[in-house]
Amino acid sequence: SQTIHQWPATLVQPVGSPLSLECTVEGTSNPNLYWYRQAAGRGLQLLFYSVGIGQISSEVPQNLSASRPQDRQFILSSKKLLLSDSGFYLCASTRNTEAFFGQGTRLTVV
Amino acid sequence: GQQLNQSPQSMFIQEGEDVSMNCTSSSIFNTWLWYKQDPGEGPVLLIALYKAGELTSNGRLTAQFGITRKDSFLNISASIPSDVGIYFCAGTRGGAQKLVFGQGTRLTINP
Repeated sequence: SQTIHQWPATLVQPVGSPLSLECTVEGTSNPNLYWYRQAAGRGLQLLFYSVGIGQISSEVPQNLSASRPQDRQFILSSKKLLLSDSGFYLCASTRNTEAFFGQGTRLTVV
Repeated sequence: GQQLNQSPQSMFIQEGEDVSMNCTSSSIFNTWLWYKQDPGEGPVLLIALYKAGELTSNGRLTAQFGITRKDSFLNISASIPSDVGIYFCAGTRGGAQKLVFGQGTRLTINP
C-alpha cells in the first residue's frame, strides 16, 4: 500500500510570512495527489488536486498555491500567510480510487 | 464546494447500540469510500465500494453503494468506545477521479 509522508507535523508562522508544506508518496507511481484543509471539527475542503507532474487544479480562490515538481511530490505554498490560513492541512494520494492520507500539518498563523 | 451531503452531523449513543449514517449527492459517483478520523490524525480508510449495489463488510462495519450511484450508507453494529471519532464519506467522479468528502459525522459513545 501507499505511504504518505507529510511534514512538518505542526507549524506556527507569523502573518505575512511564506509557507511551504511538502508531501511525498511511496509505494505507487503516477498517483492523483490532493491538498485538503480542515477547520477544527469540520469537514475536509479540497484545495488543490493534481493528476500529473505540473498539472494543478485549484478548487477554491485563496491565498495558497500548489506545485508538483515530481511524480510523487506535492507542495503547498503561500507567499504571505493570512490569519485565515490557519488550519489542519492534509495531503492525500489516490491510485485506483482508494485514497491514503498523510498525518497532517497543523498550521497556526499568529 | 462540497458535493456530498452527509447526515447526521453528530450522534450521541450508548455503548452497544448500532449506528447508521449516510451520504447523498445530486451527482453520480464512480466510487464511494468511508473514512474514520481520530483527533489530530489523517483519515483512515474503512471501506471502499466500487459498484452500484455493492454491499461490503469490515468486521462490525457494513457499507453499501446505492443502486442509483448517488448515495451510500455506513452501519456500525454493537458500538464500542474505540468507535468514537469523525466518520467521512467520500467519492470520486469524472475522468480525473477527483476525490470529494462529506461534512463528516461526529460519533460520541456514552459508556
